[in-house]
Amino acid sequence: DGGITQSPKYLFRKEGQNVTLSCEQNLNHDAMYWYRQDPGQGLRLIYYSQIVNDFQKGDIAEGYSVSREKKESFPLTVTSAQKNPTAFYLCASSIRPGTDTQYFGPGTRLTVL
Amino acid sequence: AQKVTQAQTEISVVEKEDVTLDCVYETRDTTYYLFWYKQPPSGELVFLIRRNSFDEQNEISGRYSWNFQKSTSSFNFTITASQVVDSAVYFCALSEWSQGNLIFGKGTKLSVKP
Repeated sequence: DGGITQSPKYLFRKEGQNVTLSCEQNLNHDAMYWYRQDPGQGLRLIYYSQIVNDFQKGDIAEGYSVSREKKESFPLTVTSAQKNPTAFYLCASSIRPGTDTQYFGPGTRLTVL
Repeated sequence: AQKVTQAQTEISVVEKEDVTLDCVYETRDTTYYLFWYKQPPSGELVFLIRRNSFDEQNEISGRYSWNFQKSTSSFNFTITASQVVDSAVYFCALSEWSQGNLIFGKGTKLSVKP
């Protein structure tokens, strides 16, 4: 089945630790995105990638890093520099960057203890 | 500046009632796209519709319908004969041709009670 997978579904980490969230898609989409969702809030863009080996900062990139070594994969690292990392993280992809429809994965809920 | 406003934070209806979710947007672009997504309790965002700024024709898909009015910068979503399975958070979003990124409203939580 074609789609977007994110792992793990739930993630717990101790304060001061880096953690990497996985996002994989087999839709052959060029563009991939990472969003953060806080309770009662809409989604805010962290990073996006239009093509392999390229990525751009979104509105709230501080404390996060990404890589795009393969078309299918766009992992997000939440570093210890992120002051309030507890949130729900959603990955998305679209055929082309820009105004194409974005399709979302199931999300990863990160809790910092 | 681009902005999406969903003024209704929460709505509660009884099954079989019709319900309209409001979405008002701001943009300076003449070319833009509007979207609706559904987020059930599981958390995944489910795409519902994409509409471009040049197509003001209303759309109906089963019990769902959308009313796009450029004159009032609104893109409202109506669910007819609501069902318990419609309970979710619904997000309206805007993507401008010049920017490309998706800007989300804060969402409307719909509860449909049996």
